[in-house]
Order: sequence, then structure tokens, then C-alpha cells
Amino acid sequence: KQEVTQIPAALSVPEGENLVLNCSFTDSAIYNLQWFRQDPGKGLTSLLLIQSSQREQTSGRLNASLDKSSGRSTLYIAASQPGDSATYLCAVKEDSNYQLIWGAGTKLIIKP
Amino acid sequence: NAGVTQTPKFQVLKTGQSMTLQCAQDMNHEYMSWYRQDPGMGLRLIHYSVGAGITDQGEVPNGYNVSRSTTEDFPLRLLSAAPSQTSVYFCASSYGQTAYEQYFGPGTRLTVT
Repeated sequence: KQEVTQIPAALSVPEGENLVLNCSFTDSAIYNLQWFRQDPGKGLTSLLLIQSSQREQTSGRLNASLDKSSGRSTLYIAASQPGDSATYLCAVKEDSNYQLIWGAGTKLIIKP
Repeated sequence: NAGVTQTPKFQVLKTGQSMTLQCAQDMNHEYMSWYRQDPGMGLRLIHYSVGAGITDQGEVPNGYNVSRSTTEDFPLRLLSAAPSQTSVYFCASSYGQTAYEQYFGPGTRLTVT
């Protein structure tokens, strides 16, 4: 059964630092992987989607990588800002039934 | 274009009561789904629909019913609320089940006492 893990559960860094969030999954038979951002009391916003054949995707200060063979993805945030404070979730879409399996998220706090 | 809307935003129920969580999207998406989010856990799929008239069970369907009479609406019914159903519920939609990214509603925070 696919399991998705995000470590650490929480992270606090000073403004301006570059940082990496980690996501690991146990079954490499995935269709795609998606990173989301969740703000308190709000829904989830899709940040980046990586197809299983791709290695990375970039959007502005965000870069997501995918290594299927090792079961890992990273979300790189450059020059962090207080507005980046949120919970970041990763989810893998299974190859067999196209259902999303979610990690529990990393709560990120950027200190001004 | 309102995206995905959910009502109500908050709800308190007593054990045994029933209610319907509403979800609507105006993007002409075929695929819609319901998730619940509990503290310290990833989102879990309750039910999903690949188009009007078609629904299927997800990972945690017990205690919930859905129907999809139109492309736009996908209500979630709690038949007899239990404290274990206290959670935040999210509705999501996308063009299709496979490659497309999903769009989420703002969520409904449900407390069952």
C-alpha cells in the first residue's frame, strides 16, 4: 500500500534563506506527484505538478524535483519570504487507480 | 468564475443527526471528489465521481453518501453523524482523473458532539 511521508512536520527559518521540503513515497508506480500549499482556514492551492516521466518543474521561486526510483521528491523554495508561511503538502497519484495519496504536510514558518 | 465553492463553512452536529455538505464548481470539470483531513494525517478520499451519474467509493466511504445529478454539483451526505466524523472536509475538482491538477474548495469544518 502506498505511503507518503513528509519530514519534518514543522520547520522555522529566517527570512531570505533557501530551503528544501522533503516528500518520500513507498511505491514508485506513480502517475504524477503534486505539491500543494494550505493556508489556515483555506483550501489547498496547487503549486507544481510533476508527471512521472519528468524530473523537475519550476514556478517562480519554487522548484520541485522527482526521483521515482528512490521514491523521493523535494520542493525547493528560494529566498524565502514571510508570505511563504503555510503548510506544504505533497500527494502522489497512483498508477493503478489514479487516486491521490497524501502526506501529512510540513508546516513552514518564515521569521521576518 | 468562482472555482470550487463549499457550504457551510462551519457546522456543529449532535450524534445521530444527518446533514448535507454542498459542493459546486463552475469550471465544467468532469472529476469531483471529497476528502477529509484529520490532524497529523494526510487527506483521505471519501467518494469521487468521474462524471454526472457516476460515483465510486474512496478509502473511507462508510457513513457517507454522494450523488452526482449534474456536472456542477457533488453533495456529500452524512447519514447519522458520529464523533469520529469530526473533521475538515474538502471538495475538489479537475478536468479529468488522470493528469490534471486538482482545484480545492475552502473546506467545511464539522464538529460532531
